[in-house]
Amino acid sequence: EPEVTQTPSHQVTQMGQEVILRCVPISNHLYFYWYRQILGQKVEFLVSFYNNEISEKSEIFDDQFSVERPDGSNFTLKIRSTKLEDSAMYFCASSSQGTTKAEAFFGQGTRLTVV
Amino acid sequence: SQQGEEDPQALSIQEGENATMNCSYKTSINNLQWYRQNSGRGLVHLILIRSNEREKHSGRLRVTLDTSKKSSSLLITASRAADTASYFCATAYDYKLSFGAGTTVTVRA
Repeated sequence: EPEVTQTPSHQVTQMGQEVILRCVPISNHLYFYWYRQILGQKVEFLVSFYNNEISEKSEIFDDQFSVERPDGSNFTLKIRSTKLEDSAMYFCASSSQGTTKAEAFFGQGTRLTVV
Repeated sequence: SQQGEEDPQALSIQEGENATMNCSYKTSINNLQWYRQNSGRGLVHLILIRSNEREKHSGRLRVTLDTSKKSSSLLITASRAADTASYFCATAYDYKLSFGAGTTVTVRA
């Protein structure tokens, strides 16, 4: 069964460092998303991406965050200068028709720890 | 906020019993989706119900949607130990999903 894969599963980084979280969405999906879940809290929307551009982003997704689909298969989330409060589980998701019409499939997540 | 809110926060049941959890939300939706999350792992999609649907079944899962009350329920019948997980409702609107805080279900053998 097709699945969304994320790497790495766990990343530890120093505060102020840049991190790139990687995702391979399901191959025929067109809509891509990043969500995050701080320990013990709700899953929060960060950004949606379609047709090589951002469709929508949340208030969390400030200038420190960026997304890219560099080669037609990978979808990345970059955090330029990490803060302690960026520590969370980051989930990538993809959908065939967008979540307003179809389900999203989530990866297993990358646990980011900023020290 | 669009976010769904689940009730109860936690539920402990005996294997074989049914588990029911509820979700309330605040504004218009395109659809409502239920997800399961095993401890520390990814979100698994369970079922999607569109705003013009009232009830949907998938295996041992039954979901209802009442748009007039802005609420949904998820029923898991004949629960198993493997159903132990957190369950989240997510409202879909405007290119994103908005998740509730979840219901933690523990199924005792």
